[in-house]
Amino acid sequence: ELKVEQNPLFLSMQEGKNYTIYCNYSTTSDRLYWYRQDPGKSLESLFVLLSNGAVKQEGRLMASLDTKARLSTLHITAAVHDLSATYFCAGLSGTYKYIFGTGTRLKVLA
Amino acid sequence: EAGVVQSPRYKIIEKKQPVAFWCNPISGHNTLYWYRQNLGQGPELLIRYENEEAVDDSQLPKDRFSAERLKGVDSTLKIQPAELGDSAVYLCASRKGGKNTEAFFGQGTRLTVV
Repeated sequence: ELKVEQNPLFLSMQEGKNYTIYCNYSTTSDRLYWYRQDPGKSLESLFVLLSNGAVKQEGRLMASLDTKARLSTLHITAAVHDLSATYFCAGLSGTYKYIFGTGTRLKVLA
Repeated sequence: EAGVVQSPRYKIIEKKQPVAFWCNPISGHNTLYWYRQNLGQGPELLIRYENEEAVDDSQLPKDRFSAERLKGVDSTLKIQPAELGDSAVYLCASRKGGKNTEAFFGQGTRLTVV
């Protein structure tokens, strides 16, 4: 069954710095999703990556997908405090089940 | 367009009591999911519906959990009797048909069993 792993689990970074969150998955999943979750809130869809080589950008966040390496990355550019949240990646199994990673808790320090 | 609506937002019950959660998906979304999210972890699927049919309930603890989606729209998830380990956030999500669509999540119900 599809397994999804993220790292790091926790990330504390200074404002203005860049960093990357990694998402590895175990079997074929040609779609990969990134969600954001603020404390006590639900999951907000950030990116849907549908094919190998897909790259999507929104503001300071950029996501990419490499299906051959079974790897997706979420890159943060010049972090700001508002980006503090937990970020989840999720793959889609053959039975249309979303399999989530454990999440990366990001804290951006002023 | 309204998102996925869940109620209640919070529920505190004593162990061995029953509890029910309600979900109204986005209009026109055929697929409905119930996920459970434990503290500090990612959501885990409990059950998936396609219209009114439960097509994946392999991870639903059927001895105490039940779900229904009458008429293929709203859904209810029930726990009876609740145990301490059931304390979690229960998330409902819906998705339109088609391979490349994404799931949208509701605000969740935070259950505390004491």
